[in-house]
Amino acid sequence: DTGVSQDPRHKITKRGQNVTFRCDPISEHNRLYWYRQTLGQGPEFLTYFQNEAQLEKSRLLSDRFSAERPKGSFSTLEIQRTEQGDSAMYLCASSFKGQGDYEQYFGPGTRLTVT
Amino acid sequence: GEDVEQSLFLSVREGDSSVINCTYTDSSSTYLYWYKQEPGAGLQLLTYIFSNMDMKQDQRLTVLLNKKDKHLSLRIADTQTGDSAIYFCALGGSSASKIIFGSGTRLSIRP
Repeated sequence: DTGVSQDPRHKITKRGQNVTFRCDPISEHNRLYWYRQTLGQGPEFLTYFQNEAQLEKSRLLSDRFSAERPKGSFSTLEIQRTEQGDSAMYLCASSFKGQGDYEQYFGPGTRLTVT
Repeated sequence: GEDVEQSLFLSVREGDSSVINCTYTDSSSTYLYWYKQEPGAGLQLLTYIFSNMDMKQDQRLTVLLNKKDKHLSLRIADTQTGDSAIYFCALGGSSASKIIFGSGTRLSIRP
């Protein structure tokens, strides 16, 4: 399977703890996106990278959130001092800038539960 | 900002056509998408249409775009039980960065 992969699939943490999620995009894709989806809602854009450069960040991405893509391949999303309101599905997507770069392909997501 | 509206639920009989509707506010969107999400699964890109098109057909799927009314629809012909899912309308700009999603329409199939 050469699709977008995310790890872990599920994470339960206590309020105040830090968590980190990983996303591996489709191998030839140079753009990588993070979205957050809460129950009953559509995904909301958080941030995106082209290669290793973070090109856009949503105002939803508070100071407690940080995303990296150090070598332009996989990406990590860290949430510090988690709050119950951070409970959501965190989705990663990738695309290829160039031909068909408007087609974003999504991973299965990481479901975060903050207790 | 961009607003994308969808009805929450749609129920259709197996074998009938399903029509899922979407309205939006920002007329500058370049790409208009339909994604499908099944329980416990990620988002699957079903189809998309460029803003300079009125219609796109792909097997059982037909997308219609009315730019004047800012209305997008997805028609699924011969709806099957495997079509049960949440369908998201989504819009993207010319820079191919973020996609703005609606809240989704849950499609259920009656026997």
